Amino acid sequence: SQTIHQWPATLVQPVGSPLSLECTVEGTSNPNLYWYRQAAGRGLQLLFYSVGIGQISSEVPQNLSASRPQDRQFILSSKKLLLSDSGFYLCASPGTGGLGSYNSPLHFGNGTRLTVT
Amino acid sequence: SQQGEEDPQALSIQEGENATMNCSYKTSINNLQWYRQNSGRGLVHLILIRSNEREKHSGRLRVTLDTSKKSSSLLITASRAADTASYFCATGSGNTPLVFGKGTRLSVIA
Repeated sequence: SQTIHQWPATLVQPVGSPLSLECTVEGTSNPNLYWYRQAAGRGLQLLFYSVGIGQISSEVPQNLSASRPQDRQFILSSKKLLLSDSGFYLCASPGTGGLGSYNSPLHFGNGTRLTVT
Repeated sequence: SQQGEEDPQALSIQEGENATMNCSYKTSINNLQWYRQNSGRGLVHLILIRSNEREKHSGRLRVTLDTSKKSSSLLITASRAADTASYFCATGSGNTPLVFGKGTRLSVIA
């Protein structure tokens, strides 16, 4: 079965500092991968998704970027954090790939709580 | 953009009571899914109902879907303290990623 690892679990960073959050997936090959952000008391906002190595789709213009250097690795980055980047970041995958998996149930990692001070 | 909107935003019930949460959406869907999130954790998939289905059961969970009203409900029967969590609906339109609502925070008091 699929397992999604995210680290770190919590992070406190000053405004203007860089960011790198990593997500790795076990137990599957060529999966679709997603980054979501959850602000306090809010729902999930889709930030980026990837259907393959080097393929990134951005849903919202923002201070963040994503990369997929390996099949089962998805990285969320920022060059200079803003206060508004604070939130709970979740990596997710349906465990399969392709267009047909867009609506498959998602498995989530345990998230990274980012506080920008 | 968020399509699903859960109602109520928060719900507090006694252990043993039933909990009902509703989700409304705006556009045509392929399926609708419900997820649970314990505080500070990732979401866990509970149940998926396709657009041609009207009702689905899984253990103490019952989900209904009314595509004419663009709404769904999640019923948790005989609730337990361990059911305390946030519950989210997510809509799938077929060729784009799932879109999640803002969730309902359920508190079950022992």
